[in-house]
Amino acid sequence: ETGVTQSPTHLIKTRGQQVTLRCSSQSGHNTVSWYQQALGQGPQFIFQYYREEENGRGNFPPRFSGLQFPNYSSELNVNALELDDSALYLCASSLSTGGSLAKNIQYFGAGTRLSVL
Amino acid sequence: RKEVEQDPGPFNVPEGATVAFNCTYSNSASQSFFWYRQDCRKEPKLLMSVYSSGNEDGRFTAQLNRASQYISLLIRDSKLSDSATYLCVVSFMDTGRRALTFGSGTRLQVQP
Repeated sequence: ETGVTQSPTHLIKTRGQQVTLRCSSQSGHNTVSWYQQALGQGPQFIFQYYREEENGRGNFPPRFSGLQFPNYSSELNVNALELDDSALYLCASSLSTGGSLAKNIQYFGAGTRLSVL
Repeated sequence: RKEVEQDPGPFNVPEGATVAFNCTYSNSASQSFFWYRQDCRKEPKLLMSVYSSGNEDGRFTAQLNRASQYISLLIRDSKLSDSATYLCVVSFMDTGRRALTFGSGTRLQVQP
């Protein structure tokens, strides 16, 4: 097991609602990345948090937002849910050392499966 | 054009067969390369990193060709338990962050 835990495991929401997904990173890791995986596709990068700051963002609208807490756990918030937001949301934790040779291997949690009706 | 392209398969092979997956990437600034394995409805798990000199881990061999921007994975002596989707992954340092860019995956089905 990777030691990355996500909650809840499954969630059903309706269009227009808001949702918060949670992630606890692996012990010793300081960076959390969030990905969206639609059926039949690879995970798509949403954003990354390092030391409680957003440290990069993929091609997702502002209604996708996040937080990282002092213990490095993280939340993903999605406002005004749309049907296309139905997907597996994956959190990955890693250790960023700042060195250019850092391999920054990311370890994934089991994900939250969100269905928007 | 997708940043990371893979043949989606499925590859249906008998036990004991050798199978190869290929992947191309478009960003020449990519710095790190990986193969992840994803079982149905599970999270991706790191299979192996890919190094410029090529590397092997048991039955698995990965190769990287930076000039052609091409990555490969070879699986020898396929087992039933190798059935999964194999994700080609690249990353590059962009303003301090290192995000992973995934291909859509190649599905492998090993049959008895």
